[in-house]
Amino acid sequence: DAGITQSPRHKVTETGTPVTLRCHQTENHRYMYWYRQDPGHGLRLIHYSYGVKDTDKGEVSDGYSVSRSKTEDFLLTLESATSSQTSVYFCAISLLQGAQGGELFFGEGSRLTVL
Amino acid sequence: GENVEQHPSTLSVQEGDSAVIKCTYSDSASNYFPWYKQELGKGPQLIIDIRSNVGEKKDQRIAVTLNKTAKHFSLHITETQPEDSAVYFCAASRPTGNQFYFGTGTSLTVIP
Repeated sequence: DAGITQSPRHKVTETGTPVTLRCHQTENHRYMYWYRQDPGHGLRLIHYSYGVKDTDKGEVSDGYSVSRSKTEDFLLTLESATSSQTSVYFCAISLLQGAQGGELFFGEGSRLTVL
Repeated sequence: GENVEQHPSTLSVQEGDSAVIKCTYSDSASNYFPWYKQELGKGPQLIIDIRSNVGEKKDQRIAVTLNKTAKHFSLHITETQPEDSAVYFCAASRPTGNQFYFGTGTSLTVIP
């Protein structure tokens, strides 16, 4: 299994509070991604990173920010959580970029509930 | 952007039968099409992929076919087993950029 650790694995929070999810990898892969998974929507990309301090938006980035200060860590922050952000969040890593057909290795997910 | 549609959303088959999951994509520039399997409580895992210069690829009991003209690709699982029960996602990727566009998933149940 790829060395990807997500924390926390489960979190319940209230509307309006900030939340940070952490993804830590031991593979030294260049590319890191945050996806959310919702019934009927599959997996949707929130943000991704192609290097330290290099990030870009995905298709559902509103309300989320990310940071990558080290190769191994990619943080996803919800500045002010809303109920629509209740979801399962997956971190993924890849050695190659999507255009090169890079295989995505996923973490085990973080289930976030916003009340 | 790219739009990937996946059907059916649920599929039940008897053990030993075949299962077929179909996906269509909208962007003719997409050139890489992976399939991921997600078991309960886990993250998705790549099971097979195909590039646009190939029409079919097979790996033991699973195969993927691609029709570029019609912009659709399919996953075929033969001789299904209970351990094939999972959610399967198709995806498409363009020749530039980092974004994979996923289908909405198919929940496959193999009945012993």
